[in-house]
Amino acid sequence: KQEVTQIPAALSVPEGENLVLNCSFTDSAIYNLQWFRQDPGKGLTSLLLIQSSQREQTSGRLNASLDKSSGRSTLYIAASQPGDSATYLCAVQMSTGANNLFFGTGTRLTVIP
Amino acid sequence: EAGVVQSPRYKIIEKKQPVAFWCNPISGHNTLYWYLQNLGQGPELLIRYENEEAVDDSQLPKDRFSAERLKGVDSTLKIQPAELGDSAVYLCASSRGQGLYNEQFFGPGTRLTVL
Repeated sequence: KQEVTQIPAALSVPEGENLVLNCSFTDSAIYNLQWFRQDPGKGLTSLLLIQSSQREQTSGRLNASLDKSSGRSTLYIAASQPGDSATYLCAVQMSTGANNLFFGTGTRLTVIP
Repeated sequence: EAGVVQSPRYKIIEKKQPVAFWCNPISGHNTLYWYLQNLGQGPELLIRYENEEAVDDSQLPKDRFSAERLKGVDSTLKIQPAELGDSAVYLCASSRGQGLYNEQFFGPGTRLTVL
């Protein structure tokens, strides 16, 4: 079974800092990897989706990279803002079987003004 | 375009009581998912529907959980009877189809507290 791990579990940074969130997965037979944002009491908002054939995706201040062979992805957030405070989840979609999504446990980010 | 709608947003019940959650997917989305998210954890799939058919319910605790999607549109997830350990957020998601590149869109979830 696919295992997805996110490190660190929680992170606090001062406003303006650049930061990196990490995601690792055990089974490299993935079709894509997604990064989600979850605000307290809210659902999940998709931030970036990287196909398995891609190396990275960028959206504004966010950049996600994927190294499928080593089972790793990073989410880079540039010039962090207090509004970036949320829990960030990565999820992999398998290319075999039922193509289900497997989620990590998330990184809770706090950006201090 | 309206997103995935879930109700209620919050529910507090006593153990052994029944509870039901409702989800209306994005219009035109044939695939509907129910996920369970425990505190501090990522969502885990409970059941997936393709139209009105449950095609993956291997993670659904069938002794107390049931789900239906009678007309292939909205869906109801039921727990009877609820236990303390069922306290969690229940998320609904939908996608256009099944299989690869079926980006899922999530609703706000229902936070269940069992006392």
